[in-house]
Amino acid sequence: DARVTQTPRHKVTEMGQEVTMRCQPILGHNTVFWYRQTMMQGLELLAYFRNRAPLDDSGMPKDRFSAEMPDATLATLKIQPSEPRDSAVYFCASGLVQGAFGNTIYFGEGSWLTVV
Amino acid sequence: GQQVMQIPQYQHVQEGEDFTTYCNSSTTLSNIQWYKQRPGGHPVFLIQLVKSGEVKKQKRLTFQFGEAKKNSSLHITATQTTDVGTYFCAGHGSSNTGKLIFGQGTTLQVKP
Repeated sequence: DARVTQTPRHKVTEMGQEVTMRCQPILGHNTVFWYRQTMMQGLELLAYFRNRAPLDDSGMPKDRFSAEMPDATLATLKIQPSEPRDSAVYFCASGLVQGAFGNTIYFGEGSWLTVV
Repeated sequence: GQQVMQIPQYQHVQEGEDFTTYCNSSTTLSNIQWYKQRPGGHPVFLIQLVKSGEVKKQKRLTFQFGEAKKNSSLHITATQTTDVGTYFCAGHGSSNTGKLIFGQGTTLQVKP
């Protein structure tokens, strides 16, 4: 049963530390998304990739966040330095874009980040 | 930029009552999708609507896409406790870049 895999599932870190979250998209999917979910902001799109190329990262704070896809099986989201306001659930999702009708995306179980 | 708004934010119903959530986009959408997230879980795809005025049903759930392709609704008939969760609409803009923007979600509580 194909699924999106995210690590770590839970992370507690101190303010100022670097945090790296990893995602393995579903094999064959050509689009990968990073979303952040908080009670106040809902599901925010941080960045997304098509065929490993970044298409849009306008939702991401550039000074501390970075997103990459070093290969087709790995997407990373880094926060350096982390701050308490970064505490949230970070979801990776992948999908296969075909034609003009968009794509269903499949979410990982999320990385629950707490910055103290 | 494109915005997708959902109302209400929260809804408490008695089991057996109906429930509706509404979704509105600031721009015309090429399609709209609905997802459900159970408490502590992750969003799970429910359905996609593509055509203007389209209506689709899944058992007790009825999904509609507006004629102008800028709004959508999800209606649940005779809610059950298993319907508890947050329902999100998500839209692709008319130039399909694959960018999917989510509404804020409607959290449904069902009292047995």
